[in-house]
Order: sequence, then structure tokens, then C-alpha cells
Amino acid sequence: DAKTTQPNSMESNEEEPVHLPCNHSTISGTDYIHWYRQLPSQGPEYVIHGLTSNVNNRMASLAIAEDRKSSTLILHRATLRDAAVYYCILRDGGKGAQKLVFGQGTRLTINP
Amino acid sequence: DVKVTQSSRYLVKRTGEKVFLECVQDMDHENMFWYRQDPGLGLRLIYFSYDVKMKEKGDIPEGYSVSREKKERFSLILESASTNQTSMYLCASSFPGGTSGANVLTFGAGSRLTVL
Repeated sequence: DAKTTQPNSMESNEEEPVHLPCNHSTISGTDYIHWYRQLPSQGPEYVIHGLTSNVNNRMASLAIAEDRKSSTLILHRATLRDAAVYYCILRDGGKGAQKLVFGQGTRLTINP
Repeated sequence: DVKVTQSSRYLVKRTGEKVFLECVQDMDHENMFWYRQDPGLGLRLIYFSYDVKMKEKGDIPEGYSVSREKKERFSLILESASTNQTSMYLCASSFPGGTSGANVLTFGAGSRLTVL
């Protein structure tokens, strides 16, 4: 499986935008970029995913570099409830195997 | 909303006991997964299943087995629990992704197992 690299931790202030980076230099043409987050004492939850184009949903935006070797999850206006570990994961859309491999993620702290 | 329900939130077992962790999903998902999560090691895949009675080993299957007799239920079995299996266990389910990339996992709340 292609690997991703994320900073171990980041900090931001409430009501400010947050940009969470992810590097995936070995991404293949069929890999989708997925983001999940894990709030304290909960299981991970899906945030957003994309292939080549930037994506928006009610939770966040995903900006994908033109060469697809990196991506950025954007939280437009962070709240205290956004404090979580954020995981950037690649999933191969071309293979039969369906599993997702989680890395260490980025622990996001939001300051009031 | 898709729900993935894990039968026990907290369990305490003794070394050598047989432990069953149950997971049920209510959205007719074909795929189901068991992960464990440990500090500093992140989530690691134990087993997954893409159909009833089908199973595949993940990255750390040793000491575990699974059962999928019905589509909605995926059980993780520790035949003889050991202290190094003390962990948070997370179940997840999804539709098959295929080329749509929509292999979005829905996780349960987790089962924290302590083996004494």
C-alpha cells in the first residue's frame, strides 16, 4: 500500500481556518485520498475523499495537488469540537482488496 | 445513518479466557473489518471480511480468529486471551469500493478490552 506522511501534531485557534497537510509521493493513478478523524473516546469517522479534483462537503474541503503527491484537508472555521486525530489514507480503487491502512495521523489541538 | 454497534464498550477478562467481541451493522454492507488501536501504534487491521463466510487476514491476525455467519454480524474471537491483547478494538463496515473510491468505512464506538 502507498504510504502517507503527516505531521504528528498541529495547533490552531478557534474560529480560524486549519490546513492539515498530507504527503503521498508514491500515490498511484488509482489511489483515492481519504480523510478520517477520531474524536476522543470514539471510533474514527469519515471526513472526505477525492481522486483528482478538489472536493467540498459540509465538514471540510480537500485540496489535491496537481501532481497528486500531496493534499490538504481544510477546516474553514475550526471549533473546539474539531479537536481530534486526523488520518490521511490512500485507498486503491483498482484492487479487489478493500482495506484501509491507517497511519499515525495528526493530532489537532484547538485553542479557545 | 449507518450504525455499527459493538456489543461491549468495556470488558475485563483473565488470561486464558476465550473472548468474543461482537459487531453488528444495519446497512447491508458487504465489507466488515476489525482493527485494534494502541498508543503509538495507531490502528492496525486484524481481519476483514468481504462476504458472508469469507475472511481475510489483515496485518496482525495472530492470536485472533473471526466469524461471519450472517452479513450483518462480524465476530472477533480471542481463543485464549493474553495480556498483550489488552487494547481498544474497533469494528467497521463499508460497501465494496470498486472504482468509485467510495469505500467509506463506518466505525463502531470501540470495545476496550483489558486482559489481567
